Amino acid sequence: QVHLVESGGGVAQPGRSLRLSCVASGFTLRSHAMHWVRQAPGKGLEWVALISYDGANKYYADFAKGRFTISRDNPKNTLDLQMNSLRGEDTAVYYCARALKEHTKTMDVWGKGTTVTVSS
Amino acid sequence: QSVVTQPPSASGTPGQGVTISCSGSSSNLGTNSVHWYQHLPGTAPKLLIHGDNQRPSGVPDRFSGSKSGTSASLAISGLRSEDEADYYCASWDDSLRVVVLGGGTKLTVL
Repeated sequence: QVHLVESGGGVAQPGRSLRLSCVASGFTLRSHAMHWVRQAPGKGLEWVALISYDGANKYYADFAKGRFTISRDNPKNTLDLQMNSLRGEDTAVYYCARALKEHTKTMDVWGKGTTVTVSS
Repeated sequence: QSVVTQPPSASGTPGQGVTISCSGSSSNLGTNSVHWYQHLPGTAPKLLIHGDNQRPSGVPDRFSGSKSGTSASLAISGLRSEDEADYYCASWDDSLRVVVLGGGTKLTVL
């Protein structure tokens, strides 16, 4: 069965860093592009970043550019999101999501999320 | 404000049908496919429709999608209480080079 499990969330002070991880099981990670999406409290889903199946291409939402870095380790079946210079508005549940093989912008499997709280 | 817009809320009674709209622009819905996600708070979002009108296996045929120009719609027929959730449309924006998500529509089954 296909599963994505996020980890690494927690409480961080403004300006500090957190690294989120997502472990994939039940499918071959190297065959799929992957995404991060977040949901702030009381807000809608907000796309964060996309990485191609081989890690060669990366795309970021404006708020993530220069602060967040998406990466992957296909042999280890893991996806990461390094978040630096955290702000209060980064407080959210962060989801990793698998992209369809044939359409990399569509997310067909999602994890249950990990919660990030940025607070002093 | 979202690049892609949806009504914030929709409602219907059990057994009824409801339609949720999604409006974009030439650089996103006008050029690329639209997808729809269902999200119940505290759970993983679920892909309902991809490629404008394709249902993944396991999604009931009560859910259907359509698109015309820069607008798209999600139709739900035979409403059930378990359909009460937040629904999001999404697409790729060629100009911004990002995935654009609508602000979400909260569906209430009365």
